[in-house]
Amino acid sequence: KQEVTQIPAALSVPEGENLVLNCSFTDSAIYNLQWFRQDPGKGLTSLLLIQSSQREQTSGRLNASLDKSSGRSTLYIAASQPGDSATYLCAVVKTGTASKLTFGTGTRLQVTL
Amino acid sequence: DAGVIQSPRHEVTEMGQEVTLRCKLISGHNSLFWYRQTMMRGLELLIYFNNNVPIDDSGMPEDRFSAKMPNASFSTLKIQPSEPRDSAVYFCASSLGDLYYEQYFGPGTRLTVT
Repeated sequence: KQEVTQIPAALSVPEGENLVLNCSFTDSAIYNLQWFRQDPGKGLTSLLLIQSSQREQTSGRLNASLDKSSGRSTLYIAASQPGDSATYLCAVVKTGTASKLTFGTGTRLQVTL
Repeated sequence: DAGVIQSPRHEVTEMGQEVTLRCKLISGHNSLFWYRQTMMRGLELLIYFNNNVPIDDSGMPEDRFSAKMPNASFSTLKIQPSEPRDSAVYFCASSLGDLYYEQYFGPGTRLTVT
């Protein structure tokens, strides 16, 4: 059974810092990995999708990397802003399970002024 | 594009009542997913449709839960009878296709069963 873990569970940083969120998964046979953010009481917003054949994806201040063989992904946020405060979730689609996303436990990020 | 639309946004009902949650896919998408989010279990996939056909319903907790796609752009998730342990946020998501495409989530329905 695929298990997805995110470390740390919570993180507080001052504005302007660069930070890294970690995601690990137990089964490396995946089709893709997706990073989401969730604001309190809101739905999920897709940030980045990395296909299994890719090593990284970038969007603005966000960069996500994927090391499938070691079962790890990182989300790098450059020059953090208070508006980045949210819960960040990673999710994987395991090979052979159609599009079933298995979600991680999430990292709750707070960026302070 | 309006994105994935869910209704109602909040639902409070008494135990034993029937609850129907609704979801409208993004135009042009052909895959539909229902998820449930709780503090204890996080986000879990309940059921997944592709081209109106249920592909994987292994996450549906009990026979009290049923989901349909009466047409290509609309889906319902029904709970009958509802129980307090069904209280959660229910999300639907859609994508262009399976496997390789991003899933776009709706705002969710917060269900409270008293």
